[in-house]
Order: sequence, then C-alpha cells, then structure tokens
Amino acid sequence: DAKTTQPPSMDCAEGRAANLPCNHSTISGNEYVYWYRQIHSQGPQYIIHGLKNNETNEMASLIITEDRKSSTLILPHATLRDTAVYYCIVRVAYAGNMLTFGGGTRLMVKP
Amino acid sequence: SQTIHQWPATLVQPVGSPLSLECTVEGTSNPNLYWYRQAAGRGLQLLFYSVGIGQISSEVPQNLSASRPQDRQFILSSKKLLLSDSGFYLCAWSVLVSGREKLFFGSGTQLSVL
Repeated sequence: DAKTTQPPSMDCAEGRAANLPCNHSTISGNEYVYWYRQIHSQGPQYIIHGLKNNETNEMASLIITEDRKSSTLILPHATLRDTAVYYCIVRVAYAGNMLTFGGGTRLMVKP
Repeated sequence: SQTIHQWPATLVQPVGSPLSLECTVEGTSNPNLYWYRQAAGRGLQLLFYSVGIGQISSEVPQNLSASRPQDRQFILSSKKLLLSDSGFYLCAWSVLVSGREKLFFGSGTQLSVL
C-alpha cells in the first residue's frame, strides 16, 4: 500500500470547518483513499473513501486532487465530539487486503 | 444490520498467563476478519487477518496466535503473555461490495499485562 503523510496534530474552532490534509504521492491507479477516525479508547470509525472523484456523505467531504497525490478531509461544522485521531489510508480495495494505519492527525476541536 | 462483538472490554493478566480474546460478527456471511493492536499513543498495527474458516495470515512474528473456528468467529490467543503484549486490541471485519471495501471495528479490549 502507498505511504501517506499527515500532520501529527491540528486545532479547529467549534463550528468552523476542519480541513485535514493527506499526502499520498506514490498512490497507484487502483488504490482508494480511505479516512477513518478514532476517538480515545474506542475502535476506529469509517468516515469516507474515494478513488478519483470528490465524495460527500453525512459525516464529511473528501476532496482528491486531480493528480491524486493528495487529498483533504473536510468536516464542515466541527463539534467537540469530532475531537479524535484521523487516519488517511490508501489501499487497493479487494477482499483480503490489509488496511494498515499510520500515525494519523490528532484533531482538537476547541470551544 | 451487521454488528461486531468483542470481549472483554478490559483485561488485566499476569506475565506468563494465557490469553483468549473473542470476536464475533453478526449479520454478514464470509467476512474478512482482522486483529489489530494499538500501543499507547501509537497507530494501529495489523496482527492477523483471515479470509475464511481456518485461513489465518500473520503480519508480525510474536507470541500471539489467531484462529477462526467458525465463519463469524475470530479468536486471538497466547500461551504465555509478555509485558510487551499490553495494548488496545481491536477486532475488525470487512466485506467487498462492488469493488469497494469498508472496514468496521469492534469496541476493543484494553489488555494490561503486569
């Protein structure tokens, strides 16, 4: 799987948009970009994933650059409950392939 | 809907004692199953994954083992725990739908080896 690079930590004001960047310059054409988050002492939670096009769901939006070498996860209106470690992962999405997590970005939403 | 059960939530064990953590999945058939470990303040490390009954792949050498006696049951074991086995253990499952796969995690087991 391609390696990803994320800032170790970020702060965001409550109610503002949180934009979490991820670099994946060695991504292959068949690798998807996945985002998960982990709130302290809980299992990771799936957020969103995409291949080429931008994606949006009830939790977040995923913006992937045209060259696919980087992406941004956007939480449109961050709340205190969004404080967590956010993991960006790129991988080929087929059954049996492993999902390996890096260090992630620790997002702190402040009132 | 699919659910994943993992127990116990917390466990304190002495060094040298055995370990058995169980994970079961409901509401899906033939899932891919995974065991991850997270040391304090660090990312998730893949330990084992299984694509079917009796099929186990190990990612790192260690004194842990995994078994899948039934389609929706995944067990993590050790004959003799080490201090370094302390950590947060997570079971996960995934299915492939239309070429896309999502991973879903259990609530985790916090293991302290003393």
